[in-house]
Amino acid sequence: GQQLNQSPQSMFIQEGEDVSMNCTSSSIFNTWLWYKQDPGEGPVLLIALYKAGELTSNGRLTAQFGITRKDSFLNISASIPSDVGIYFCAGPPNNAGNMLTFGGGTRLMVKP
Amino acid sequence: DVKVTQSSRYLVKRTGEKVFLECVQDMDHENMFWYRQDPGLGLRLIYFSYDVKMKEKGDIPEGYSVSREKKERFSLILESASTNQTSMYLCASSSPTGAGNTIYFGEGSWLTVV
Repeated sequence: GQQLNQSPQSMFIQEGEDVSMNCTSSSIFNTWLWYKQDPGEGPVLLIALYKAGELTSNGRLTAQFGITRKDSFLNISASIPSDVGIYFCAGPPNNAGNMLTFGGGTRLMVKP
Repeated sequence: DVKVTQSSRYLVKRTGEKVFLECVQDMDHENMFWYRQDPGLGLRLIYFSYDVKMKEKGDIPEGYSVSREKKERFSLILESASTNQTSMYLCASSSPTGAGNTIYFGEGSWLTVV
């Protein structure tokens, strides 16, 4: 079953604001992934994290792999309307290779 | 460009009908997956396959079956559709190496069962 708790479930922000969302697990993950799903499309990988403490950026997106290996954060700076979508954290439970468990998603809405 | 193609974007079926959702990938990937996506529940794994004719149950296999007769094709079958199977279905594929960054998703199939 689902093992990742993602929050918040949804956010409605003003264009230009920064956004932060997080994901926690009751068990250790050795990889954390963040996906974005545009409306009507499949999820696309944004950032992959492989080491505890790792901080990785992809343009205006920054993600961090928590030191405890039980959490991860995704930040979006200076949001724009095309940031709208659902953001999912994911990871392989019990190091199960390409099997992924997904968080419940954070729905982001941006007001122009 | 890598591609995972789901044959039907939108379907409406009646309760009790047999439903086939087809997925094709052109990346020669060994692994293929079927997820369903429901609001607030994220993506839940129904079945996956790591080779032709091989299949493994995921988290929610009840009411579903799958078929993998060819490497590039993975079909999800609802033997007798029910209204609680109304959902968005996502197919994905990956190679055995790597840890998630080689997983590619299709665009999704919206199934409504009435």
